[in-house]
Amino acid sequence: DTEVTQTPKHLVMGMTNKKSLKCEQHMGHRAMYWYKQKAKKPPELMFVYSYEKLSINESVPSRFSPECPNSSLLNLHLHALQPEDSALYLCASSPPRNSGGANVLTFGAGSRLTVL
Amino acid sequence: AQRVTQPEKLLSVFKGAPVELKCNYSYSGSPELFWYVQYSRQRLQLLLRHISRESIKGFTADLNKGETSFHLKKPFAQEEDSAMYYCALSHGSSNTGKLIFGQGTTLQVKP
Repeated sequence: DTEVTQTPKHLVMGMTNKKSLKCEQHMGHRAMYWYKQKAKKPPELMFVYSYEKLSINESVPSRFSPECPNSSLLNLHLHALQPEDSALYLCASSPPRNSGGANVLTFGAGSRLTVL
Repeated sequence: AQRVTQPEKLLSVFKGAPVELKCNYSYSGSPELFWYVQYSRQRLQLLLRHISRESIKGFTADLNKGETSFHLKKPFAQEEDSAMYYCALSHGSSNTGKLIFGQGTTLQVKP
């Protein structure tokens, strides 16, 4: 399995809803990432988990809450979002540092979120 | 400050013409440079990384530290090369691949 799988592909939620985005990989990668991508813009880093521990939070509002239950799974919990949070949310993973590919990211197809 | 600059939002060429997508960076340490590509309705994927020094789909990119550039080149463009191309930078000794992306260049190859 050489893919990063994201569910759901599409999500529509109201500003008072609570929802979660899920990401899974079975490549033995030990770093996982959440990126946010607006239309015709580059991806912007949100969070990085390294060996299941949060290592980078790019000053993301607390209405986004990441979770890494194990080395294969990454969740992004969403609560009280705003319409401007509507975007494509990309998950990515990368190999362990000692494999020589720590900086090579494999991206999922994304979850397209619409906040009404 | 760490920055990746892609000066062209859109590059339009005819099939068979040479292509050069420009990328300049500013970084104080030892960066690792990448080109990622996003074809229509497909996921973002790695095209090239500078330390591999390989050619993928006919594309090459050379890191020029003097000019702080990592331009992507292909001698003869094909229609299937039409896509969004992102130049990206990461800290060379980072334990995690925190990527800084340029704004992207849309390559349009006309028949």
